[in-house]
Amino acid sequence: LAKTTQPISMDSYEGQEVNITCSHNNIATNDYITWYQQFPSQGPRFIIQGYKTKVTNEVASLFIPADRKSSTLSLPRVSLSDTAVYYCLVLPFSGGYNKLIFGAGTRLAVHP
Amino acid sequence: NAGVTQTPKFQVLKTGQSMTLQCAQDMNHNSMYWYRQDPGMGLRLIYYSASEGTTDKGEVPNGYNVSRLNKREFSLRLESAAPSQTSVYFCASSEVGVGSTGELFFGEGSRLTVL
Repeated sequence: LAKTTQPISMDSYEGQEVNITCSHNNIATNDYITWYQQFPSQGPRFIIQGYKTKVTNEVASLFIPADRKSSTLSLPRVSLSDTAVYYCLVLPFSGGYNKLIFGAGTRLAVHP
Repeated sequence: NAGVTQTPKFQVLKTGQSMTLQCAQDMNHNSMYWYRQDPGMGLRLIYYSASEGTTDKGEVPNGYNVSRLNKREFSLRLESAAPSQTSVYFCASSEVGVGSTGELFFGEGSRLTVL
């Protein structure tokens, strides 16, 4: 499975755009990139998923370059409620779900 | 729909005691998972079940047993609890395969303390 690397923590202020980059150098051809959000005392929640180029939903955008060795989660105009841990995962559609690992994630703190 | 339901939400054990964490999902998913999360850490996969009757070890299976009772239920058992198993345990389910996103749906977690 592709190992992911992302920053341990980030700080931002309300109203700013936040970009969290994840590297996944050995991603396989059929793998998808998925991001989850976790608030304290809750289970992670799916945010967005993509394969290539750009995906946008009501919560975030996901940018994936042509080589797919990295991806960037973009949160527009963050608020205090976006303070959470964000996890980048590579989803193996070819199998290997028993090795699906979340990693430490990026702890985002949004300040007033 | 309730989604993924875990019981109990909180439990305190003494070293050597046993207990079972229960998990049930009502989304008709084939795959179910058990993760543990230690303070300030990411989630680590304990066991995974691709379908009823099948289970696979994850990253940290030692000290745990699982049972996929049916499609809905996936239980995690600690036979002889140790302080190192103090953690928050999350159950999750997903659909896997062509046409699905593979999105994981998590329960609210079970906070276990072993004294």
